[in-house]
Amino acid sequence: EPEVTQTPSHQVTQMGQEVILRCVPISNHLYFYWYRQILGQKVEFLVSFYNNEISEKSEIFDDQFSVERPDGSNFTLKIRSTKLEDSAMYFCASSTGQGTGELFFGEGSRLTVL
Amino acid sequence: GEDVEQSLFLSVREGDSSVINCTYTDSSSTYLYWYKQEPGAGLQLLTYIFSNMDMKQDQRLTVLLNKKDKHLSLRIADTQTGDSAIYFCAESSKENTDKLIFGTGTRLQVFP
Repeated sequence: EPEVTQTPSHQVTQMGQEVILRCVPISNHLYFYWYRQILGQKVEFLVSFYNNEISEKSEIFDDQFSVERPDGSNFTLKIRSTKLEDSAMYFCASSTGQGTGELFFGEGSRLTVL
Repeated sequence: GEDVEQSLFLSVREGDSSVINCTYTDSSSTYLYWYKQEPGAGLQLLTYIFSNMDMKQDQRLTVLLNKKDKHLSLRIADTQTGDSAIYFCAESSKENTDKLIFGTGTRLQVFP
């Protein structure tokens, strides 16, 4: 069964460093998303991406964050200068965009900022 | 703003029914969802209900929606140890049905 894959599964970084989280969405999906979950808190929407551009972003998704689909298969989330409060589990998801909310999620990338 | 609330933990004996509850704030949500997360895995869509329905049944799963009270529940009949997981309630944003508003998740523990 097709699945969304994410790398790395866990990354530890120093505050101020740049981090890139990678995702390979399901191949025939057209919509891509990043969500995150800070430990003990809710899963929060960060950004959605369609047709090579951001279609929607939350207020969390400030100038420190960027997304890219560099080669038609990968979908990346970059955090330019990490802060302690960026420590979270980051989930990538993709969907066909049929409007039913059926998102297919990856296993998540845990980011720890020291 | 939109918000979804769930209790954090539920513990049931194997064979019993589990009922996981959720409240939400946005009455204009088109769909409401239950996602399941097993250890080490991503969130997996378990079931969803369209907002003009009040019940949906799928094998051991029954979803009840009370729009007046903005209350959603997931009942798992004959709960098995393999049902142990975190269950997330979510509603779709009124502007974008693929943008989901999640609760914190309810950790279901099934003991023999």
